[in-house]
Amino acid sequence: GDSVTQMEGPVTLSEEAFLTINCTYTATGYPSLFWYVQYPGEGLQLLLKATKADDKGSNKGFEATYRKETTSFHLEKGSVQVSDSAVYFCALGITGANNLFFGTGTRLTVIP
Amino acid sequence: EAGVAQSPRYKIIEKRQSVAFWCNPISGHATLYWYQQILGQGPKLLIQFQNNGVVDDSQLPKDRFSAERLKGVDSTLKIQPAKLEDSAVYLCASSFGQAGETQYFGPGTRLLVL
Repeated sequence: GDSVTQMEGPVTLSEEAFLTINCTYTATGYPSLFWYVQYPGEGLQLLLKATKADDKGSNKGFEATYRKETTSFHLEKGSVQVSDSAVYFCALGITGANNLFFGTGTRLTVIP
Repeated sequence: EAGVAQSPRYKIIEKRQSVAFWCNPISGHATLYWYQQILGQGPKLLIQFQNNGVVDDSQLPKDRFSAERLKGVDSTLKIQPAKLEDSAVYLCASSFGQAGETQYFGPGTRLLVL
């Protein structure tokens, strides 16, 4: 079935460190891939997305490239800030289907 | 533009009691979703509406959960009777259409069943 496997956390980094959160997927169709972020006390927000192979989604300094050959959509940021502390969810949406399949989430804490 | 609204934000009930959650989607969004997010897990879809019709309720425990969207705008999710394992955050989301479009989430309702 369709699913997402996400790097387990928690992840703790110092400010300005490089971030990678791994995400791999299994899909029977042609998925769109998403990263959602949940800041403390807030709802899920779309961070970035990619709808086809080799697309790169980017937002707020975060990037992720849709790699069909490795079925991956890893999230990266070159220099994290304290304000990036949140829970990050990788998600998969199947074209023609309805719902999103979410990973278990990765909690990131950035310390000054 | 106003986001997805949900109420209440928090609810504590005893097992076997009933509870209802309300959601108002973004204006003009035809598709509405209810997700359940258990602590330490990702959100799991319970039910999806397209306007006032149910598109997918395959993961909804229909013996105790029900949901409606009578006028194709706001929606109510009900649990009756509640069990301990229903303790979770209930998220409402909406999108303009479906099929992979961006979903916009509300702040969620945190339910604790004692």
